[in-house]
Amino acid sequence: GNSVTQMEGPVTLSEEAFLTINCTYTATGYPSLFWYVQYPGEGLQLLLKATKADDKGSNKGFEATYRKETTSFHLEKGSVQVSDSAVYFCALRSNDKVIFGPGTSLSVIP
Amino acid sequence: KAGVTQTPRYLIKTRGQQVTLSCSPISGHRSVSWYQQTPGQGLQFLFEYFSETQRNKGNFPGRFSGRQFSNSRSEMNVSTLELGDSALYLCASSLRQISYEQYFGPGTRLTVT
Repeated sequence: GNSVTQMEGPVTLSEEAFLTINCTYTATGYPSLFWYVQYPGEGLQLLLKATKADDKGSNKGFEATYRKETTSFHLEKGSVQVSDSAVYFCALRSNDKVIFGPGTSLSVIP
Repeated sequence: KAGVTQTPRYLIKTRGQQVTLSCSPISGHRSVSWYQQTPGQGLQFLFEYFSETQRNKGNFPGRFSGRQFSNSRSEMNVSTLELGDSALYLCASSLRQISYEQYFGPGTRLTVT
């Protein structure tokens, strides 16, 4: 069946460091891929998306490229801020169902 | 435009009781999905309603049910509560059936004692 795997957290970075959160997926067909962010005490917010191979989603300095050959959708940001501290979820949509990864907690320290 | 609202935000129930959670989607959105979030299982899809009809269902027992009204508001009901039902229940709305973009509410934190 379809599944999403994310790197285990928590991840702790210093402000202005480079961020990569790995995400790989297993799916039949051509799923759409998403990154969601959940700030403490809040629901999920869509961060970025990509709907076909080689698409690059970007938002708020975050980027992720849909790599079909490696079935990956890694999240990157060049310079993280304390306000980026949150839990990040990779997700896929296939056959009208959305499947989320386990989430990766990120803490950014000043 | 107002976001997705969920009521109540917090709830404490006793094992064996039942509970009803409510979700009001963004105005104009016709699809509402429900998710259960727990530390152990992560985010799991419960079901999706579109135009008052259940269109998709996850792998949860029949104790979990829902419905959608003509104004797109949705309710989720859990009967015969178990300790393992303690979780954050998230509702998400979208324009169309599981559209590319889902907008999540803040969730209802259910604690079963």
